[in-house]
Amino acid sequence: AQTVTQSQPEMSVQEAETVTLSCTYDTSESDYYLFWYKQPPSRQMILVIRQEAYKQQNATENRFSVNFQKAAKSFSLKISDSQLGDAAMYFCAYKAGSARQLTFGSGTQLTVLP
Amino acid sequence: DTGVSQDPRHKITKRGQNVTFRCDPISEHNRLYWYRQTLGQGPEFLTYFQNEAQLEKSRLLSDRFSAERPKGSFSTLEIQRTEQGDSAMYLCASSLVQGAGAGNTIYFGEGSWLTVV
Repeated sequence: AQTVTQSQPEMSVQEAETVTLSCTYDTSESDYYLFWYKQPPSRQMILVIRQEAYKQQNATENRFSVNFQKAAKSFSLKISDSQLGDAAMYFCAYKAGSARQLTFGSGTQLTVLP
Repeated sequence: DTGVSQDPRHKITKRGQNVTFRCDPISEHNRLYWYRQTLGQGPEFLTYFQNEAQLEKSRLLSDRFSAERPKGSFSTLEIQRTEQGDSAMYLCASSLVQGAGAGNTIYFGEGSWLTVV
């Protein structure tokens, strides 16, 4: 079974600084997708960034980028120039190519300090 | 904005009562999912529909739980004879699957909080 591990229950970052959230996963699949979702206090889960396993290039979305290390099964999220609005729970998620559902990690609560 | 909407947002019920949650997916999305999330944990998959067909159910979905999507649009999740362990947030999500659809993005609603007292 696939598992997703987020080893940092809580992280904090100073406004305008950079923070990296860690995620590791376990799978025997070769075709899969990885996601980072953000869940702010309003509770709606919002997709931040996604990565296809077959792509070697790391995905980037504005201030958000990933470091995808396929051999190490690592998928970290880097947030640059952190803003107060980035404060939220961040979930790493995995989806096998053949699967229909997402498997989530336990989340990292990010606090942005002014 | 016609995102995924869920109703009610909060529900407090006594143990043993039945509750029903409704989800309206994004218009034209053909796939609909239900997840459950407890405090401090990530969402866990419960079930999903492709149009009106329920194609997969998690072991988490006991026989007290039933989900429907009668016309391939909105969906309901009913919990019968609620137990305190059912207290959680129930998240609905939807996606548009085209072709193989392996990498389709899943969009979530704001969730329905259930408290069983």
